[in-house]
Amino acid sequence: EAQVTQNPRYLITVTGKKLTVTCSQNMNHEYMSWYRQDPGLGLRQIYYSMNVEVTDKGDVPEGYKVSRKEKRNFPLILESPSPNQTSLYFCASSFSGVGNQPQHFGDGTRLSIL
Amino acid sequence: AQSVTQLDSQVPVFEEAPVELRCNYSSSVSVYLFWYVQYPNQGLQLLLKYLSGSTLVKGINGFEAEFNKSQTSFHLRKPSVHISDTAEYFCAVSRAAGNKLTFGGGTRVLVKP
Repeated sequence: EAQVTQNPRYLITVTGKKLTVTCSQNMNHEYMSWYRQDPGLGLRQIYYSMNVEVTDKGDVPEGYKVSRKEKRNFPLILESPSPNQTSLYFCASSFSGVGNQPQHFGDGTRLSIL
Repeated sequence: AQSVTQLDSQVPVFEEAPVELRCNYSSSVSVYLFWYVQYPNQGLQLLLKYLSGSTLVKGINGFEAEFNKSQTSFHLRKPSVHISDTAEYFCAVSRAAGNKLTFGGGTRVLVKP
């Protein structure tokens, strides 16, 4: 089954404790991206990757890091989480770029930073 | 830069009544337009998309949307809603050669019996 898998689904942690949210897709997609969803603001792009070793900033990259060492994986790293990063996070992928390509989304990761 | 405005944050509607969700966008270049739906505790699923051609686009679950270039709008409609249509709906826009999908703030639809 074609899917985008995020882990964990839920996480409560404390300020400053490094965490990683994993994202994996099994569709051989080149393009992957991370979004955060906040009430009234919709989804805002954090980082995206056009292919292996090619990443770039989205609209809200501050406080986040990403890497793309393999085509299927695109982890989101919070080196020193802060309460304003409490949010619902989604990973998405598509065959190539965004353009006219519909995005395939994971089920989301709800992060609470205390 | 591109932006998307969804004019209604919440839309309550009775079962079997019609619903329209409004979406306006701004962009200096040609765009592609999408509607996604998010059911509770799930990710987003594509409802429909406008890439080119006919301005009336039909999607899944009986939804349709009309692209209006002069009014820069892409409103979503369904003639008769079901309880199962209770969800949050997002309008999104991308540019032809872009790497970025810009979302509106979302519209919560609550279908009442």
